[in-house]
Amino acid sequence: AQSVTQPDIHITVSEGASLELRCNYSYGATPYLFWYVQSPGQGLQLLLKYFSGDTLVQGIKGFEAEFKRSQSSFNLRKPSVHWSDAAEYFCAVGAKEYGNKLVFGAGTILRVKS
Amino acid sequence: DSGVTQTPKHLITATGQRVTLRCSPRSGDLSVYWYQQSLDQGLQFLIQYYNGEERAKGNILERFSAQQFPDLHSELNLSSLELGDSALYFCASSVGAVSVTEAFFGQGTRLTVV
Repeated sequence: AQSVTQPDIHITVSEGASLELRCNYSYGATPYLFWYVQSPGQGLQLLLKYFSGDTLVQGIKGFEAEFKRSQSSFNLRKPSVHWSDAAEYFCAVGAKEYGNKLVFGAGTILRVKS
Repeated sequence: DSGVTQTPKHLITATGQRVTLRCSPRSGDLSVYWYQQSLDQGLQFLIQYYNGEERAKGNILERFSAQQFPDLHSELNLSSLELGDSALYFCASSVGAVSVTEAFFGQGTRLTVV
């Protein structure tokens, strides 16, 4: 079965600093990978997705993620964090072989200090 | 705005009661997915409907049921409510039958059972 691990429950970074949120997945083949962001009181917004091809994908709001098959990872990065990036970030994996659901990680809460 | 509309935004009800959550998908989307987000279980897939038919089932309790109507809106019915059913319930929609392409999430309905 698919599983997603986000090892960091909370991360605090200074505004302007770089950010990397970790995501590891467990799945036999190449899954479809997603990063979503949830601001307080809001729904889930898709930041970026990886299906195939170039392993470095660009998303909205200046985020990017890199798929590393050898490490079963899909880490999210941003070179310079803004205070408005404070939110909860979810990594998710999907695979047609496992039906139509997305399996989500537990989430990482990002705090930005000024 | 994702284009997915969920009502109501908040719901407070007593144990043993029954509630109905409503979801209107994005225009043109045929699939509707329901997810539950709770503190102890995280984000979990409940059920999917595609063009009026149940397509996939996840960790949905027998006390819960859903349907999708001819106009493609969906309702999630929760009955014999327990304190542990308190959660944020998300609806998502996608064009096709598989969410691994791209699913758009609504802002959720926060259910509080007292």
